[in-house]
Amino acid sequence: DVKVTQSSRYLVKRTGEKVFLECVQDMDHENMFWYRQDPGLGLRLIYFSYDVKMKEKGDIPEGYSVSREKKERFSLILESASTNQTSMYLCASSLRSWAGQALNTEAFFGQGTRLTVV
Amino acid sequence: AQTVTQSQPEMSVQEAETVTLSCTYDTSESDYYLFWYKQPPSRQMILVIRQEAYKQQNATENRFSVNFQKAAKSFSLKISDSQLGDAAMYFCLSSTGFQKLVFGTGTRLLVSP
Repeated sequence: DVKVTQSSRYLVKRTGEKVFLECVQDMDHENMFWYRQDPGLGLRLIYFSYDVKMKEKGDIPEGYSVSREKKERFSLILESASTNQTSMYLCASSLRSWAGQALNTEAFFGQGTRLTVV
Repeated sequence: AQTVTQSQPEMSVQEAETVTLSCTYDTSESDYYLFWYKQPPSRQMILVIRQEAYKQQNATENRFSVNFQKAAKSFSLKISDSQLGDAAMYFCLSSTGFQKLVFGTGTRLLVSP
């Protein structure tokens, strides 16, 4: 079974704290993604990584950074949490298509971390 | 920019009936794929069905089928013989160049006995 595991299902943090959201996949996938899910907005891509130490900004990278030191682990970092970052965060992984091509394989998702910043 | 539009925030269906969820997309790329994912209350995203844009034949997976109209950029999902377990949020996705996945805003499907 493909498994994408997010370290926490629920998290409550204070404004200004540095927050780490961890994601681990066990399928040797090259691609890993971080999305933010908000009602009425669907899922929006924060960052994407197609290899170790590689990262690409998504649609809403402001206020976030990422780290991919090992192939199986992709971390999302909120440098200074703010209340507008209260949301559901979903991690995903997939095999990589050829550079420049569309992803033609299934993406596998974690169960999400519901982050509340107070 | 790539966009995916799901114009139905919520749909209702009775068990054993058929329901169609709508999705339109906009892309200028020739290479793309389209997906429907399901997110039940457990929050686990599950792939329902996939369509290769270069294939004219509509994809089917058991009770799930799509109506892919390439010229109209439409990709609707039909669920036949609806079951209580089909109740979930359904997301339409397009996959375009450089493996970017673009999500629609989702349609919540309610299934009543």
